[in-house]
Amino acid sequence: QKEVEQDPGPLSVPEGAIVSLNCTYSNSAFQYFMWYRQYSRKGPELLMYTYSSGNKEDGRFTAQVDKSSKYISLFIRDSQPSDSATYLCACTPFGAAGNKLTFGGGTRVLVKP
Amino acid sequence: EAQVTQNPRYLITVTGKKLTVTCSQNMNHEYMSWYRQDPGLGLRQIYYSMNVEVTDKGDVPEGYKVSRKEKRNFPLILESPSPNQTSLYFCASRTGQSYLPLHFGNGTRLTVT
Repeated sequence: QKEVEQDPGPLSVPEGAIVSLNCTYSNSAFQYFMWYRQYSRKGPELLMYTYSSGNKEDGRFTAQVDKSSKYISLFIRDSQPSDSATYLCACTPFGAAGNKLTFGGGTRVLVKP
Repeated sequence: EAQVTQNPRYLITVTGKKLTVTCSQNMNHEYMSWYRQDPGLGLRQIYYSMNVEVTDKGDVPEGYKVSRKEKRNFPLILESPSPNQTSLYFCASRTGQSYLPLHFGNGTRLTVT
């Protein structure tokens, strides 16, 4: 079993819809949770990160972490065709052991005009 | 422009022929890392380096070598490539704590026949 699981999709939504993405993880030591976006033929780029449980909002993006259920989510409001990409969740512990990010497999999102 | 530069972008080679993929960053980052990305498996860490002359194994180091003689460069060496090393490779760098953004290069697509 992988430490971080993510549905590969594709997730297809009409423009303007809310995109809901999620990951589950198994390692209780994970303290930081990140979402990366990867366009085709590009490297991933960081969208957001959160520490421990809670919500974080940045523009159209909201990240949620529920450590009790080991579940992390990303919501994209008012989705645009430019949001079409693969979204990767990533987790890491705190401290020296946190030198490594553990990634989910990524969910491919298609936003149709 | 702050960036991580990988070369080459595409590489086709034959089994057993030694190759090197170069990685350079211009952000004065201490931490650098190599990942491979495979369908359904996501990003898996090969090696990482906390600073010059300090390297350590990631999750899938077999068949790879790295060196960190200078802060900006972190080449990935395949001494005797095999077909199971056909993959998309990413170099990444960051500074400071593990939750800070990883800056990725645009990838090297390697095919070993």
